[in-house]
Amino acid sequence: GESVGLHLPTLSVQEGDNSIINCAYSNSASDYFIWYKQESGKGPQFIIDIRSNMDKRQGQRVTVLLNKTVKHLSLQIAATQPGDSAVYFCAENSNTGNQFYFGTGTSLTVIP
Amino acid sequence: GAGVSQSPRYKVAKRGQDVALRCDPISGHVSLFWYQQALGQGPEFLTYFQNEAQLDKSGLPSDRFFAERPEGSVSTLKIQRTQQEDSAVYLCASSLLLEKLFFGSGTQLSVL
Repeated sequence: GESVGLHLPTLSVQEGDNSIINCAYSNSASDYFIWYKQESGKGPQFIIDIRSNMDKRQGQRVTVLLNKTVKHLSLQIAATQPGDSAVYFCAENSNTGNQFYFGTGTSLTVIP
Repeated sequence: GAGVSQSPRYKVAKRGQDVALRCDPISGHVSLFWYQQALGQGPEFLTYFQNEAQLDKSGLPSDRFFAERPEGSVSTLKIQRTQQEDSAVYLCASSLLLEKLFFGSGTQLSVL
């Protein structure tokens, strides 16, 4: 079955530093990936997505990198702010299925 | 509405009771998903609708779980004869198609 996991369950960074959150996936058929941010007591919030025909995609202060060779995904947050403190999930989907599989999540803490 | 709305926000049930959880998706969104999220874990897929058709219910943990979306808009997740292991946050998500899932805040179910 599909498996999406994260290398680091927790991450602490100083305010203003850049953050990198990693995600590994095992289904080579996955061709669409989403990063979500989840704050306590709230539902996951869409951050950015990327399709497998791309290696990199940038948003506002965020960049997602996709390495299909090693089935690895990362989320980079520039100039991390206290409001970025949350749990971050990656989710994957293949065009042959309708399920999105989520990893366990990484808890990001930003130290003021 | 502007986002996915779920009700109730919190539900406490005695073991053996039936519960019904409601989801109002974003207007016009074809796809609707239900996920279950245990504490400290990523969301786990339960079921998927495309309009009123339930195309995938492979994630429903038992025949006590039932979901419907009769008019292709509002959806209800029903759990019969609730058990303690059903305690979790139940998340609803909607999307135009199979991308960019937008989540509600969830219903936190506690079975005593």
